[in-house]
Amino acid sequence: EADIYQTPRYLVIGTGKKITLECSQTMGHDKMYWYQQDPGMELHLIHYSYGVNSTEKGDLSSESTVSRIRTEHFPLTLESARPSHTSQYLCASSDWTSGSAMGEQYFGPGTRLTVT
Amino acid sequence: SQQGEEDPQALSIQEGENATMNCSYKTSINNLQWYRQNSGRGLVHLILIRSNEREKHSGRLRVTLDTSKKSSSLLITASRAADTASYFCATEGSGNTGKLIFGQGTTLQVKP
Repeated sequence: EADIYQTPRYLVIGTGKKITLECSQTMGHDKMYWYQQDPGMELHLIHYSYGVNSTEKGDLSSESTVSRIRTEHFPLTLESARPSHTSQYLCASSDWTSGSAMGEQYFGPGTRLTVT
Repeated sequence: SQQGEEDPQALSIQEGENATMNCSYKTSINNLQWYRQNSGRGLVHLILIRSNEREKHSGRLRVTLDTSKKSSSLLITASRAADTASYFCATEGSGNTGKLIFGQGTTLQVKP
């Protein structure tokens, strides 16, 4: 089991609400990632971070924002949820270092978000 | 477009049979990884094969890599009902970006 945690696991919320999905890891990894995955589909990278105070947008455009104030914590925020945001959100981390080939990513259990 | 494409999209077999999934990718790679995802859960890393390797084994898993064809296959031997899951290949691509690009996945159902 990877030491990476996500809360909540399930969230049903009304349109227009602000939500924050939490992700924490205890492995001391600098690199963290957020993916969006629709049921039965591939993962799309929406945000990533190379370390504290570093955040980058991923390959899929997303209306969400992220922050990285502490190494272990990488929350994702939606200011105003919409039904189109309904999806599963997966957080991951790795100990990849710049200049080296990518190794394993460790995934949290995911947050399944439903916006009504 | 996605770096990795997998086939078949879905596979249903009986317990004890072998399951083979294929992954194709577009650009040069440093390595290729396979992950498993149980329904509604996060992904679990299965195996990593480097670009200079042709075959790798881990328990009942066998992965092959053909860089000339830009393809990889994952073989699960003597499948079990517990192997029922979705399987994804992932590549970094060239340039050491620290990001993975995932394929569409193969959904495997193993019937007891």
